[in-house]
Amino acid sequence: GESVGLHLPTLSVQEGDNSIINCAYSNSASDYFIWYKQESGKGPQFIIDIRSNMDKRQGQRVTVLLNKTVKHLSLQIAATQPGDSAVYFCAEIRSGFGPGTSLSVIP
Amino acid sequence: DVKVTQSSRYLVKRTGEKVFLECVQDMDHENMFWYRQDPGLGLRLIYFSYDVKMKEKGDIPEGYSVSREKKERFSLILESASTNQTSMYLCASSSTGPNTEAFFGQGTRLTVV
Repeated sequence: GESVGLHLPTLSVQEGDNSIINCAYSNSASDYFIWYKQESGKGPQFIIDIRSNMDKRQGQRVTVLLNKTVKHLSLQIAATQPGDSAVYFCAEIRSGFGPGTSLSVIP
Repeated sequence: DVKVTQSSRYLVKRTGEKVFLECVQDMDHENMFWYRQDPGLGLRLIYFSYDVKMKEKGDIPEGYSVSREKKERFSLILESASTNQTSMYLCASSSTGPNTEAFFGQGTRLTVV
């Protein structure tokens, strides 16, 4: 079936640096993507979304980029903080989620 | 504050038991989903429902069934629990329309012994 997946399983960054988490998808008909953050022991929480008629969307300290040509998404976190340590998933609800990228922030 | 509530955080059941996992949402959402989450495999869709009494199979429906008798409640049923169904189960709901953000419950960690 169609899939949504992440490139790297783990990412370690220094506190204050920017983080970039990547995601690939296979269904060219996908038109709505969401990034979720999941902290240990909790369910996933919405961070930011983007529709296929956009190529960039910004939130508070986060930016999502969408490249439909290569079917690729990225989540950029500015000035990464220890509280950003979590697993990050990209998703299109019906296509599913990848295994997630575990982000560790080094103080 | 929006809320998706799963009835149990932790469950331990014996092989062969029939298991019910309950999920309730208070946002009047049309869509509800059941996922299981396993290390290295991410979230995998078991079943989803887009309306009362309507259901569709996800990626891994084998060994599971679902029930949606009321809009706010979506139940996942393990007909005869097996050890390979030990997992974290997550329920989610979303509305139809332009913004289909899914809201998740806290999860139920099921152990089948």
